[in-house]
Amino acid sequence: AQTVTQSQPEMSVQEAETVTLSCTYDTSESDYYLFWYKQPPSRQMILVIRQEAYKQQNATENRFSVNFQKAAKSFSLKISDSQLGDAAMYFCAYNGGSQGNLIFGKGTKLSVKP
Amino acid sequence: DGGITQSPKYLFRKEGQNVTLSCEQNLNHDAMYWYRQDPGQGLRLIYYSQIVNDFQKGDIAEGYSVSREKKESFPLTVTSAQKNPTAFYLCASSIQQWNTEAFFGQGTRLTVV
Repeated sequence: AQTVTQSQPEMSVQEAETVTLSCTYDTSESDYYLFWYKQPPSRQMILVIRQEAYKQQNATENRFSVNFQKAAKSFSLKISDSQLGDAAMYFCAYNGGSQGNLIFGKGTKLSVKP
Repeated sequence: DGGITQSPKYLFRKEGQNVTLSCEQNLNHDAMYWYRQDPGQGLRLIYYSQIVNDFQKGDIAEGYSVSREKKESFPLTVTSAQKNPTAFYLCASSIQQWNTEAFFGQGTRLTVV
């Protein structure tokens, strides 16, 4: 069965600095998608970025980028120029193969210090 | 505006009662999902549906039931058999089940009193 692991329950970053959130996953599939979702205090889940496993190029969305290492089954999220509004829970998620449904990690709580 | 609407935002239930959480989407998505969120547990899948009149159990289906009579609607009933129902419930939908992102509603906070 596929699993997603986020080993950092909490992280902290200074405003304007860069922070990297870690995620590893386990799968025997070759075709799948990976996602990072943000859940602010409002608890609305917001898609931050997505990565297709067949693409070697790392996805980028403005200040958010990923480091996708398929062989290592690693999918980290880098947030550059951190802003106070980035403070939230961040969830890594996997979707692929016969499972089909999104499988989530337990999340990382990110705090941003002014 | 297209989106997913969950209601109510807050719900209180007495022990022994069944309650139903509403989820409606106007995105024309085929797949819909219910997740439960507890502190430190991430999101765990309760039920999912790929098409109308069909649904499957997720990882923690015991004590819950669903229906999918219309493409737009996927209500979740929390029955009295659910021993620990106090949690935050999230409904989501996606164009298809595989290899695509899900879009979420704003959630329902259920508290047993």
